[in-house]
Amino acid sequence: ETGVTQSPTHLIKTRGQQVTLRCSSQSGHNTVSWYQQALGQGPQFIFQYYREEENGRGNFPPRFSGLQFPNYSSELNVNALELDDSALYLCATLADNTGELFFGEGSRLTVL
Amino acid sequence: AQRVTQPEKLLSVFKGAPVELKCNYSYSGSPELFWYVQYSRQRLQLLLRHISRESIKGFTADLNKGETSFHLKKPFAQEEDSAMYYCALSRISGYSTLTFGKGTMLLVSP
Repeated sequence: ETGVTQSPTHLIKTRGQQVTLRCSSQSGHNTVSWYQQALGQGPQFIFQYYREEENGRGNFPPRFSGLQFPNYSSELNVNALELDDSALYLCATLADNTGELFFGEGSRLTVL
Repeated sequence: AQRVTQPEKLLSVFKGAPVELKCNYSYSGSPELFWYVQYSRQRLQLLLRHISRESIKGFTADLNKGETSFHLKKPFAQEEDSAMYYCALSRISGYSTLTFGKGTMLLVSP
C-alpha cells in the first residue's frame, strides 16, 4: 500500500465542462506531481507542487491548474474540457526521505 | 528537449529466455534514468533506477552515456514478468518531473 489515493476512479464529462480530480497522500510526501496518460502513451508530466506552490510545469495550457493543501491532498482542475483531454490522470507523490515516486491508480476521464 | 524512446511496443518471449527491453534517451545534461513497471490491474511502480545500481526481481539496467541507452535486461524471463514497462528520465534531483517513453509490453509465455 503506497498511501496515494485518487478520486474519482472514473468520470464522464462533456466538452466545455470543468472537472476537478483529487489526490491524497501521506506525511513525508511534500511534493506532488500530476501526469496525463493518453491511450497507448506513456505518462506526460503536467505540473508539480511543493509545499503548496507550483514549482514545475510541463507543456500544458493554463486551463490545467492545480492546488496542494497542507494535509497532503491536492487537486487537478481542468477548465473548458476538450475531447483530447480524455485520458488517465495520475497523481504521484515523492517520499522526502528516499526520493522514490509513488503513483496513485489514476482517474480515468472521458470527454464526450 | 528531453526525449525517451522505447522502440518496441510489444516483446513476446518464452519462459526461461533472456529479455532485453530497449530504451534510448536524449537530454542535454546529466539525467537520472528509471524503469517503471505496471502489472495487470496494478498501479505504476518503480522497478529500478540507475543511480542505485540494484538488481530488482532479476532485472538490471546499465546506463551507457555514449550510446544514450538504458536497456533493461533479465537473463531468464518468468511468466510473472509479463507487464508494461516504461523507461523514464529526470534531471538530477528532480525525481518527480519524469519524461516517460511510450512503454513496452512484455509477454512471457509458458
